[in-house]
Amino acid sequence: EVQLEESGGGLVQPGGSLRLSCAVSGFTFSSYAMSWVRQAPGKGLEWVSAITGSGGNTYYADSVKGRFTISRDNPKNTLYLLMNSLRAEDTALYYCAKGSDGYGYSWFDPWGQGALVTVSS
Amino acid sequence: SYVLTQPPSVSVAPGNTASITCGGDNIGIKNVHWYQQKPGQAPVLVIRFNSDRPSGIPDRFSGSNSGNTATLTISRVEAGDEADYYCQVWVFGSWVFGGGTKLTVL
Repeated sequence: EVQLEESGGGLVQPGGSLRLSCAVSGFTFSSYAMSWVRQAPGKGLEWVSAITGSGGNTYYADSVKGRFTISRDNPKNTLYLLMNSLRAEDTALYYCAKGSDGYGYSWFDPWGQGALVTVSS
Repeated sequence: SYVLTQPPSVSVAPGNTASITCGGDNIGIKNVHWYQQKPGQAPVLVIRFNSDRPSGIPDRFSGSNSGNTATLTISRVEAGDEADYYCQVWVFGSWVFGGGTKLTVL
């Protein structure tokens, strides 16, 4: 069974940093692209960042480019999202999601249960 | 940037058919994927590649895509289908979601 479990969420002050992790099991991690998708309270889904299975290519939404860094440790079956210069508008539930293949240029399935990030003073 | 437009809400009586649209410029040449999200839960993929149902998704769920509109159709709607539904496409290094449609079962 494919499982994704996010951790590392919490309360952080504006301008601060946080690192999310997503531990996965049940599939060959290095063969699949992975993404982070967020959902602000009461709002819709917003794609944040993606990384190919090898880790050789990364992609970012304009809203986080230059502030967030996605990475992965394939031997440890873990995906990361380092978030710097956090703003109030980054407050959201952050989901990690498995891509359709090594490049992930299509759908997400499955998703983790999410990690809540709250940016507030 | 590419924009996907969904109606904020759709209402349907149990047993009837619900259609949720997703509008985008020439969306018919793109692959559209659909997700169902129930309150307090993570999204679940219900349609991939415009009309393909993943394993475990009831055949009451179907999809189509042509011109400037993709459509998710739910036949014989049940109370358990009440949820938010999102369309999604990939556009040259960016993954785009529609704003979501809340399906209410009357």
